[in-house]
Amino acid sequence: EDQVTQSPEALRLQEGESSSLNCSYTVSGLRGLFWYRQDPGKGPEFLFTLYSAGEEKEKERLKATLTKKESFLHITAPKPEDSATYLCAVQANLFDQAGTALIFGKGTTLSVSS
Amino acid sequence: GAVVSQHPSWVICKSGTSVKIECRSLDFQATTMFWYRQFPKQSLMLMATSNEGSKATYEQGVEKDKFLINHASLTLSTLTVTSAHPEDSSFYICSAKSRTGRTEQYFGPGTRLTVT
Repeated sequence: EDQVTQSPEALRLQEGESSSLNCSYTVSGLRGLFWYRQDPGKGPEFLFTLYSAGEEKEKERLKATLTKKESFLHITAPKPEDSATYLCAVQANLFDQAGTALIFGKGTTLSVSS
Repeated sequence: GAVVSQHPSWVICKSGTSVKIECRSLDFQATTMFWYRQFPKQSLMLMATSNEGSKATYEQGVEKDKFLINHASLTLSTLTVTSAHPEDSSFYICSAKSRTGRTEQYFGPGTRLTVT
């Protein structure tokens, strides 16, 4: 069964204290791994797509990496405005052209205090 | 770019009535739109996938007669919750996938439904 597990469930950081969020996945065939940011009461905001092991993407203080079993979202010198829930999702069924559904993890809620 | 809107952003209705939620892709054409449901402190659960001009595909356990989905054009999909009950109260979020072939899904801001 395709599955996505995120850890930790919650993370509290001081401003400037770098850390990483983990997303472990098991899928029959990975089509893509996605990171989203979700603020309370809002829809998810797209951050990154990763397609193959070894791939890395960066955006401001965020950097996403991918291996064959997991992805990390590294946050460097976070600021209070980085506080949000970060969702990881995978798109499976590599050989099924119609298979575009995303499987989401439960998310990591990040709180950054000044 | 890649903006998705939803309307309304929140709605309160009485038990037994029907509610329609609209999802629009504002600056791109979406071949596929998805409807998710999210409970407090839970992740997104896919309800159904809709392709323009064809019937929606519902996930296991989702009642297609209760949650009516129409994808009338490449920029508009609607979700109608029929005969709503308090247990249908939730945060409903749509997403859209561009027809350009990119794999990313772009999400709307969500609709908070409260059934009294």
